[in-house]
Amino acid sequence: DAGVIQSPRHEVTEMGQEVTLRCKPISGHNSLFWYRQTMMRGLELLIYFNNNVPIDDSGMPEDRFSAKMPNASFSTLKIQPSEPRDSAVYFCASSLQSSTGELFFGEGSRLTVL
Amino acid sequence: QKEVEQDPGPLSVPEGAIVSLNCTYSNSAFQYFMWYRQYSRKGPELLMYTYSSGNKEDGRFTAQVDKSSKYISLFIRDSQPSDSATYLCAMSQAGNQGGKLIFGQGTELSVKP
Repeated sequence: DAGVIQSPRHEVTEMGQEVTLRCKPISGHNSLFWYRQTMMRGLELLIYFNNNVPIDDSGMPEDRFSAKMPNASFSTLKIQPSEPRDSAVYFCASSLQSSTGELFFGEGSRLTVL
Repeated sequence: QKEVEQDPGPLSVPEGAIVSLNCTYSNSAFQYFMWYRQYSRKGPELLMYTYSSGNKEDGRFTAQVDKSSKYISLFIRDSQPSDSATYLCAMSQAGNQGGKLIFGQGTELSVKP
């Protein structure tokens, strides 16, 4: 099994630019999560989907952030326009909806906004 | 106040030491308690999983949950340099919130040879 696949692994961009992060969950998993990790705030849940439907987006910091899951095998997290304070590692994770906590994480996308 | 509190460390111990990592939480609805391990520049991976109160042992690792005190612990016996990583506690509720994990900030552990 390939695991959760995220791209790009590293992204350096300038303030004001649009950033799109991509995630392919593990086949058969029907829950998908986007987390953000920083030294100051740790690992924060941004949004999660069950069966491609957004369930809780209360962690999305502001309207500049949006996430979509058009099908069971693909999700995007978009930041437009990006700001330096968005610099962080963004993790995608997937799980079986019936499970009770075992998330499988990707390797993360390290974003630097200059 | 955060729902889950964890001392970020860093914690440095000699090889062979017993390590104790802890988290406290405020939400009494949490039912599932986990410890994840994260190596540098990698995603977290599940290490231990416990439902409700009690202890669980897996090799050198023991997880304890005390729901009355809202306190969970992870013990590592005979620590090895390969245990050097960040350890994150995580918790979730049952029901329709199941699967939504809330993480502690993580404790960075370094085991010196």
